[in-house]
Amino acid sequence: EAGVAQSPRYKIIEKRQSVAFWCNPISGHATLYWYQQILGQGPKLLIQFQNNGVVDDSQLPKDRFSAERLKGVDSTLKIQPAKLEDSAVYLCASSLAPRLVDTQYFGPGTRLTVL
Amino acid sequence: GENVEQHPSTLSVQEGDSAVIKCTYSDSASNYFPWYKQELGKRPQLIIDIRSNVGEKKDQRIAVTLNKTAKHFSLHITETQPEDSAVYFCAASSSSGYSTLTFGKGTMLLVSP
Repeated sequence: EAGVAQSPRYKIIEKRQSVAFWCNPISGHATLYWYQQILGQGPKLLIQFQNNGVVDDSQLPKDRFSAERLKGVDSTLKIQPAKLEDSAVYLCASSLAPRLVDTQYFGPGTRLTVL
Repeated sequence: GENVEQHPSTLSVQEGDSAVIKCTYSDSASNYFPWYKQELGKRPQLIIDIRSNVGEKKDQRIAVTLNKTAKHFSLHITETQPEDSAVYFCAASSSSGYSTLTFGKGTMLLVSP
């Protein structure tokens, strides 16, 4: 079974620039998550999709971050404009269904450096 | 919302020793507690999980215990090996019903040969 795919793996941008990340979840997984992992910390949930609908975006900085999952499969996360404090690894994860006991499988992440 | 505290932040042991990592959570409605291992530069990978209707679960050298009354759970690794060296994260599900996880800040485990 193929895992969660993410691209790019690394991105370096200047502050105030825009950047977009892409995620393709495991086939058949209805739930998709975007996490931000700052160096030395645990992943922090940014947004959670159930199919193509948002079920939790309470920690997403909506003035600069946006995400979509238009067809209920792959997803993009965008930052516009980027700030220095956005430097982090952005992890995508997916799970089969939104039940409480479903395992979340993580992608390799995109390491963003904002200069 | 849920808050997860994890201790210690770093743990150094000799090969063959046991390692214990502890977490506490705040939301009494949480009922799913996974542990993830993250090697340097790699993705977090689930190593074991426990649900609230169980007090202990074992998988070879790894075990997790849960005390719902005290709202804490622990990871136990026996007979540690150098390849166990990694950052370990505990997590707890929220009560939202959508499998939302809140992670601890992680424990860096170093196993010396």
